Amino acid sequence: AQKVTQAQTEISVVEKEDVTLDCVYETRDTTYYLFWYKQPPSGELVFLIRRNSFDEQNEISGRYSWNFQKSTSSFNFTITASQVVDSAVYFCALTTAYNTDKLIFGTGTRLQVFP
Amino acid sequence: NAGVTQTPKFRVLKTGQSMTLLCAQDMNHEYMYWYRQDPGMGLRLIHYSVGEGTTAKGEVPDGYNVSRLKKQNFLLGLESAAPSQTSVYFCASSRGGLSSYEQYFGPGTRLTVT
Repeated sequence: AQKVTQAQTEISVVEKEDVTLDCVYETRDTTYYLFWYKQPPSGELVFLIRRNSFDEQNEISGRYSWNFQKSTSSFNFTITASQVVDSAVYFCALTTAYNTDKLIFGTGTRLQVFP
Repeated sequence: NAGVTQTPKFRVLKTGQSMTLLCAQDMNHEYMYWYRQDPGMGLRLIHYSVGEGTTAKGEVPDGYNVSRLKKQNFLLGLESAAPSQTSVYFCASSRGGLSSYEQYFGPGTRLTVT
């Protein structure tokens, strides 16, 4: 079975703090793809990153970074020096090479950044 | 370039009524999807399509039907609405399979069934 767990339902931080959003996944497939999406208050989901199971290099994009660890089945997302505009719900998602038509979403983490 | 659009944005139905949600994309994408989002449950796939004229069931297809008569449009129908179908519905599209392409989402349709 495939599953994505985002144990943190809601996180509140003050601007400029660093924050890490956790994502733990389950799959028996050896080839799979992990995603992060952002859902701002406007509602529309925005794609942030896709990572395949063979690429464990960490990725950095501006203030965003992702830590992929197959040993712990985790794909965590860190925002450095958070800003109010980072306030959103963040979803982690999974698909596998045998069924790339479907995306399995976690339940999301609501991040609130206060000024 | 509008991306993915959804019509309507809001709707209130009475139990037993029917309606159709329209999703349109102008990116020439092959794949289209319908999700529902409920509090504490993330997004769940209802139906999807991998090309014009094709449809397939997702995780929660019961009570819904879909059609993809034109490549750019994906319709979601509720034949007899139930309160359990109160949700926010999102349409998405992608150029191809998710191993290579990301999904682009519409703004959502908030449906309330009383």
